[in-house]
Amino acid sequence: LAKTTQPISMDSYEGQEVNITCSHNNIATNDYITWYQQFPSQGPRFIIQGYKTKVTNEVASLFIPADRKSSTLSLPRVSLSDTAVYYCLVGVDDYKLSFGAGTTVTVRA
Amino acid sequence: ETGVTQTPRHLVMGMTNKKSLKCEQHLGHNAMYWYKQSAKKPLELMFVYNFKEQTENNSVPSRFSPECPNSSHLFLHLHTLQPEDSALYLCASSRDQTLGRPNEKLFFGSGTQLSVL
Repeated sequence: LAKTTQPISMDSYEGQEVNITCSHNNIATNDYITWYQQFPSQGPRFIIQGYKTKVTNEVASLFIPADRKSSTLSLPRVSLSDTAVYYCLVGVDDYKLSFGAGTTVTVRA
Repeated sequence: ETGVTQTPRHLVMGMTNKKSLKCEQHLGHNAMYWYKQSAKKPLELMFVYNFKEQTENNSVPSRFSPECPNSSHLFLHLHTLQPEDSALYLCASSRDQTLGRPNEKLFFGSGTQLSVL
């Protein structure tokens, strides 16, 4: 299972772009990179998944360089409601997902 | 609305009580999970059921007893809990257990915030 490293916390202001980089140096060939978002007192919610290059949906963009040893989740023009914990997950351990500490993003007015 | 409903949302119980947490999913999934999230700690996987059969017990104390009568319902029966069991208990489901495949994902409920006094 690929070990992931991401910042513990990030602060931002409304309207800014937030970029969270996750390192996963020992990613396996078959591993996908998945990000979940968790609001306080809620369960995590899937937001985006990618294998290589760039993926974009209505919530975020995911940038993955050619070597796939890192990935960057980009949240465009954040609002107060984007305050949450963001988890980077890579691969599975015997069909189980492993959620680390995540990155706590705090958006201020 | 994620399609996974948990009740109750909040529960306060004494150490001698017996209570049950309920989870129901309306997504047609075959795998269901219980996770525990203590304050300031990562999510811990507790149990996994696939097609109603338990496939994972992550060394959970016997005071937590899961039950999966069908693929849509999952229960967690609680008895003789300790104050350190106070946490957010999350239920999740997925199409099946093969989460490593593309587009396979977990759908979580809103959780039950449990306080043990």
